[in-house]
Amino acid sequence: DAKTTQPNSMESNEEEPVHLPCNHSTISGTDYIHWYRQLPSQGPEYVIHGLTSNVNNRMASLAIAEDRKSSTLILHRATLRDAAVYYCILRRGGNEKLTFGTGTRLTIIP
Amino acid sequence: GAVVSQHPSWVICKSGTSVKIECRSLDFQATTMFWYRQFPKQSLMLMATSNEGSKATYEQGVEKDKFLINHASLTLSTLTVTSAHPEDSSFYICSARRTGLGYGYTFGSGTRLTVV
Repeated sequence: DAKTTQPNSMESNEEEPVHLPCNHSTISGTDYIHWYRQLPSQGPEYVIHGLTSNVNNRMASLAIAEDRKSSTLILHRATLRDAAVYYCILRRGGNEKLTFGTGTRLTIIP
Repeated sequence: GAVVSQHPSWVICKSGTSVKIECRSLDFQATTMFWYRQFPKQSLMLMATSNEGSKATYEQGVEKDKFLINHASLTLSTLTVTSAHPEDSSFYICSARRTGLGYGYTFGSGTRLTVV
């Protein structure tokens, strides 16, 4: 499976936008880009996913680079409840498995 | 939505006993479910893929005789940790994916297993 690289940690101020980067330089054409987040002592929560085009939903936006070698998860207005570990994962089309990396621990500063 | 219920949320058992963890998809059918294990301050590690009506597929290094998986219906998968030992203490999480556009994977809330 293609690998993703994320910063270990990031901080952001409450009520400001947050841009979480993810590099995936070995991505293949059939790899979907998934983002999940995990709060302490809970199972991960689906945030968003996409293939080639940018995606928006009620939680976040996913901006995918034109060459697909990187992507950015955008939280438009961070709240304290957004403090979590965010995982960027590539899932190959036809393969059901999700393989988690180390993720980015996001801290929100009040 | 797509909801996955996991039970129990925590369990304490004696060394040498077996523990069963249930994972249910409440509002969708799941032919495939996944079991993960997470140690403190680490990421999730995929243990096995549970397939409805057939044998589970285990990841390399996971003992299939120790971690028994049964997926007898389209909404229920169970993980049984047999002859548990303290090193099996961990956070176990299941997940399933509702097929269709716009759906990602849904995870259970996890089971904290402590073996004493």
